[in-house]
Amino acid sequence: EVQLVQSGAEVKKPGESLKISCKGSGYRFPNYWIGWVRQMPGKALEWMGIIYPGDSDTTYSPSFQGQVTISADKSISTAYLQWSSLKASDTALYYCARHGDSRSRHYYFDYWGQGTLVTVSS
Amino acid sequence: DIVMTQSPDSLAVSLGERATINCKSSQSVLYSSKNKNYFSWYQQKPGQPPKVLIYWASTRESGVPDRFSGSGSGTDFTLTISSLQAEDVAVYYCQQYYSTPYSFGQGTKLEIK
Repeated sequence: EVQLVQSGAEVKKPGESLKISCKGSGYRFPNYWIGWVRQMPGKALEWMGIIYPGDSDTTYSPSFQGQVTISADKSISTAYLQWSSLKASDTALYYCARHGDSRSRHYYFDYWGQGTLVTVSS
Repeated sequence: DIVMTQSPDSLAVSLGERATINCKSSQSVLYSSKNKNYFSWYQQKPGQPPKVLIYWASTRESGVPDRFSGSGSGTDFTLTISSLQAEDVAVYYCQQYYSTPYSFGQGTKLEIK
């Protein structure tokens, strides 16, 4: 069974750093693109970027380029999303999700993590 | 970037009636050489992650009830629920995966009338 299990909720102060995780199981983790999606409170889904864990090929949305870093460690089947200096506007629910095909970067998300709530407040 | 615009923003339909949600992309998401629309629909219920319903514009995901159907090509797409059930109350999102960033629509909230 394919599963994506995300790390737990975080409460941080502005200016702090943070790295959240997404561990895949039940499939060949290096061979499927993993994406990150932001959902601000009561708002729509926003596509942040994707990474191919096999070679760490990464594409960011221009809206998030330079604001976050997406990485992966294929040896432990885990993808990451990190911030070096959080802002209050980073408060949101963050989902990881898997592309439904091992060969193409152009694909829909077939499996999703449960989401990680990040709260940034002074 | 491709902008996805859904209509309406919210919709109230009686149980057993048809619900129709539209999505328009700012440019074509039809990959001509493969004759495939790089387009999907997701359902998000409160407190849950999104779930894919339809991909390639009209292919139903395994396990999705056949009352859900997708249609359209190029820039205009439709999600139809043929006979609304109580469990279909959710927010529905369209997404293109033709070119990065793989943008989502703003969502359509579906309620029971």
